[in-house]
Amino acid sequence: IAGITQAPTSQILAAGRRMTLRCTQDMRHNAMYWYRQDLGLGLRLIHYSNTAGTTGKGEVPDGYSVSRANTDDFPLTLASAVPSQTSVYFCASSEATGEMDEQFFGPGTRLTVL
Amino acid sequence: GQNIDQPTEMTATEGAIVQINCTYQTSGFNGLFWYQQHAGEAPTFLSYNVLDGLEEKGRFSSFLSRSKGYSYLLLKELQMKDSASYLCAVMDSNYQLIWGAGTKLIIKP
Repeated sequence: IAGITQAPTSQILAAGRRMTLRCTQDMRHNAMYWYRQDLGLGLRLIHYSNTAGTTGKGEVPDGYSVSRANTDDFPLTLASAVPSQTSVYFCASSEATGEMDEQFFGPGTRLTVL
Repeated sequence: GQNIDQPTEMTATEGAIVQINCTYQTSGFNGLFWYQQHAGEAPTFLSYNVLDGLEEKGRFSSFLSRSKGYSYLLLKELQMKDSASYLCAVMDSNYQLIWGAGTKLIIKP
């Protein structure tokens, strides 16, 4: 079944540790996104990639990095986790970055930083 | 700044109709999306409006007025499975989605 997978489903992490959240899509979509969702706030864009080999910063990029070595994979790395990065992280993809391009979301990763 | 406003929570009765409003102020406009998100799950696409007017899709309809910076999602013949959060998002001039905090809809029998 085509779609987006994320791993891990959930993780508890000690502050200061490095963590990579994985995201893979098999829809051959050009664009991919990482969001965080916090209670009472809308989804906030962390980083995005319009096509393989390119990345860009979203609204809240500090403390996070991404890479896009190929079309399918878009990992998100927290170099040194802090408690304020406790959140639910969603990866999404869309065919392109123009109008009408709905975004398809992965199941999310629930991350707790202690 | 950019801002999307939606009511935090609404309650409706099974079989009834409910209207969820969304107002926005963004830098540019390239369309407005509505997504549904059940608790603990990912958002899923419901509708897209870029021109003024009403778009109907089964029990769900979405309306847009660009001059007023306003949209609503209309849900008819409510079912218990419609209990979810409904997210309004506007695509800005950079083709990035700006999201509202979502409206939690509670359906009572």
